[in-house]
Amino acid sequence: LAKTTQPISMDSYEGQEVNITCSHNNIATNDYITWYQQFPSQGPRFIIQGYKTKVTNEVASLFIPADRKSSTLSLPRVSLSDTAVYYCLVGDIRDSSASKIIFGSGTRLSIRP
Amino acid sequence: EAQVTQNPRYLITVTGKKLTVTCSQNMNHEYMSWYRQDPGLGLRQIYYSMNVEVTDKGDVPEGYKVSRKEKRNFPLILESPSPNQTSLYFCASSLGAPMNTEAFFGQGTRLTVV
Repeated sequence: LAKTTQPISMDSYEGQEVNITCSHNNIATNDYITWYQQFPSQGPRFIIQGYKTKVTNEVASLFIPADRKSSTLSLPRVSLSDTAVYYCLVGDIRDSSASKIIFGSGTRLSIRP
Repeated sequence: EAQVTQNPRYLITVTGKKLTVTCSQNMNHEYMSWYRQDPGLGLRQIYYSMNVEVTDKGDVPEGYKVSRKEKRNFPLILESPSPNQTSLYFCASSLGAPMNTEAFFGQGTRLTVV
């Protein structure tokens, strides 16, 4: 699994767009990028997954440049309820032996009124 | 509703008293795992199961046991709990290997061993 680096914490305000960047310089050709969200004292929740360019769903967008050495999770118009820890994961989704998810430290996002 | 259900949500017990934390999923998932989360150490895998009767150790299996007699259930057993097992525990399930597909996590069990 490729090593990922994310900011430890970020602050923003309600209504703003928040972009969390994850560095994964040694990403392999078959690796996908996955983001999870964890609210305090709750289990992590899958947000989005992508391989290249841009992926969008009802919760977030994921931007991946051509070299794939980084990725950016974009949360549009955040609210107080988006306060959580966000984890960036990189791994080969075709690897059936990948029996676990390795969570790093994540980014603690705090949204203020 | 697709979900992973853990019980109990909160548990305080004494050292050495055997306990079981139950986990059940209603999505017919093959993979199930147990994680513990501790401040400064993040989420660490305890045990995982790829299918019925197939289990294997994760990163921190010492002091824990699991069983997978049915596809939907994956209980975590602490035969003789110790204070260093005080933690927040999560059960997770996924259709395939966790990095392959979306993993669903339970609400967590906060265990205190005194």
